[in-house]
Amino acid sequence: QVQLQESGPGLVKPSETLSLTCSVSDYSNSSSFSWDWIRQPPGKGLEWIGTFSHNGGTFYNPSLKSRVTIFVDTSKSQFSLKLRSVTAADTAVYFCARGSVVVTAASYYFDSWGQGALVTVSS
Amino acid sequence: YELTQPPSVSVSPGQTAIITCSGDKLGNKYVSWYQQKPGQSPVVVIFQDAKRPSGIPKRFSGSNSGNTATLTISGTQAMDEADYHCQAWDRSTVVFGTGTKVTVL
Repeated sequence: QVQLQESGPGLVKPSETLSLTCSVSDYSNSSSFSWDWIRQPPGKGLEWIGTFSHNGGTFYNPSLKSRVTIFVDTSKSQFSLKLRSVTAADTAVYFCARGSVVVTAASYYFDSWGQGALVTVSS
Repeated sequence: YELTQPPSVSVSPGQTAIITCSGDKLGNKYVSWYQQKPGQSPVVVIFQDAKRPSGIPKRFSGSNSGNTATLTISGTQAMDEADYHCQAWDRSTVVFGTGTKVTVL
């Protein structure tokens, strides 16, 4: 079972950039996996942020697309999230997760998750 | 694309809990379900509409047809009390449902 672990600052000031990294115990370039970020504001549901996909491209939630970048550092078995111009509405627990993908079947689900990192946006 | 779930479902121990997830032509997409207990990360309990990952009890089952996917917990146990989230993939984006809190009374 792959292990994922988020790391990064727990407090970010409004208008600045939120940066998180996910370390992966068994990173694979396999076309069967994607590497995703998902967040959960306190007391609310899950919101998908975006992915470094199984085919090497990136896809983002349309509502966040203008502020988000996800990239991979395969040499370090890590992938990262940058979210620019944050506001209090970006306060959430941020999860990294591995997506298990079968493109031909349009199947995409998350088989492994990190423990989550709480990021608070406040001055 | 939106997926709608009831905010809460209550069930007595040993009874059956049914959680729905509604979306336009959802039956044409694969749906996954995640269990999330307080302070923990989500865990997949159903993928590809009806498949159970190894280690997930048989009391968890799923179906998907028309505009509604359903997660059924048969013989619900106290340990099943949690939030449940449905999820689908639409046009290269992932969508989660609004989430359902299952309370075992």
